[in-house]
Formats: sequence, C-alpha cells, structure tokens
Amino acid sequence: NAGVTQTPKFQVLKTGQSMTLQCAQDMNHNSMYWYRQDPGMGLRLIYYSASEGTTDKGEVPNGYNVSRLNKREFSLRLESAAPSQTSVYFCASSSSGGGGTQYFGPGTRLLVL
Amino acid sequence: QKEVEQDPGPLSVPEGAIVSLNCTYSNSAFQYFMWYRQYSRKGPELLMYTYSSGNKEDGRFTAQVDKSSKYISLFIRDSQPSDSATYLCAIGYGQNFVFGPGTRLSVLP
Repeated sequence: NAGVTQTPKFQVLKTGQSMTLQCAQDMNHNSMYWYRQDPGMGLRLIYYSASEGTTDKGEVPNGYNVSRLNKREFSLRLESAAPSQTSVYFCASSSSGGGGTQYFGPGTRLLVL
Repeated sequence: QKEVEQDPGPLSVPEGAIVSLNCTYSNSAFQYFMWYRQYSRKGPELLMYTYSSGNKEDGRFTAQVDKSSKYISLFIRDSQPSDSATYLCAIGYGQNFVFGPGTRLSVLP
C-alpha cells in the first residue's frame, strides 16, 4: 500500500516550457487535490477533484490545468512555465471532500529558470 | 485579515518541555480542525482531527478548539528531538480547507 505517489520528485524547467506532474493514490479515495507550498504562504489549493470526472478551481488556479484521468490518478499540467511557479507541489487525496482527512504525497520540487 | 493566522516561529525548546502551538481563524463557518506535521522535504501527515470545541488527546499530543474565540491549539508534552518539524493547522468546512503557514519547531537534546 503506497498511499499517494508523485512523479517526478524534482524538475528544472526553463521559462515557457511545459510539463505534467503525475499523482496516483491506491486508497480508493474519491477526492484528490493539488497544492503548492511556498515559504511563509502555507499550502494553497490549486485545483481539486471531488470525484472522478469532476474538477474545480482552488485559490490559485491561474497557469495550471488538471486532468482526473480515473479514480486513482490526478495530473497537474503547466502549459508555459513561469519563474513564479517555482514551488513545491503536493498532491493529496481524501475519502470524501467534506471533512475527510487528507493524505499527502511526498511532493515535487519544481524550479523554473 | 487572513482566514487562518499562525506564528511561523521558529520555536526552539529543550527536550522534555511542553510545547504550545496556536492558530486563529476568522470565519465562524469552519467546522473541522486539523493539525499536520511536516518533516523537512516530506509531505504533511495528519496528527489530530476534531469537529468540536474542547480537548482531544492522543498520546503526548492534545488538540484544543475554542470556537467562541476562533482559536485552536496543539500541545505537545514531553517533547522529543523527533518532534522537530513544521506544524500546520488546517481548518475547513465542506470542500474548503485553509492551511496556516506552519510553525517551525526545534526540540533541542
């Protein structure tokens, strides 16, 4: 039982390049989330998916797109990376969106030059 | 005013001390209250979860919620060097979760 896994662990991009961050969970959870974590800012929600087939914007969605590929997988795409997107990205999942405990992956550290 | 405020620290205490970590929030609609621990270069892991005002205890950890004051606390008794981490409060209702920025704690042997 791996919980929540994320790939890659670390990535360096040049401004304007694109990439997809992958997330998968094996806990049969309905809800999945993408956060970014910056120093002094805490975790900020980018997008979430309350259930397979649905996605909604969070606090900071600009510059990102998501796909809920199936119940297990939720990907985050940067179409044209900017230095302001340098951050640590965490994926999380929970059994239900309303009050469900969130389980986090190990994170992806992204540096945009 | 930010929805959730938390002193970022850093907070340094000697081993064995009682640690008090706190968050304040502004939205009275918040219904559930959580504390996460995050070790360096790792994802957050849930420590405590509660719906109601009052205290909840789990081993050396006690979570306290005062909804009337919009104030939550995490107490760590007999702190250990292994407790050195960043502690994040998280408060939510429905699909909405808001995390505090975290308090960095160092427990010195």
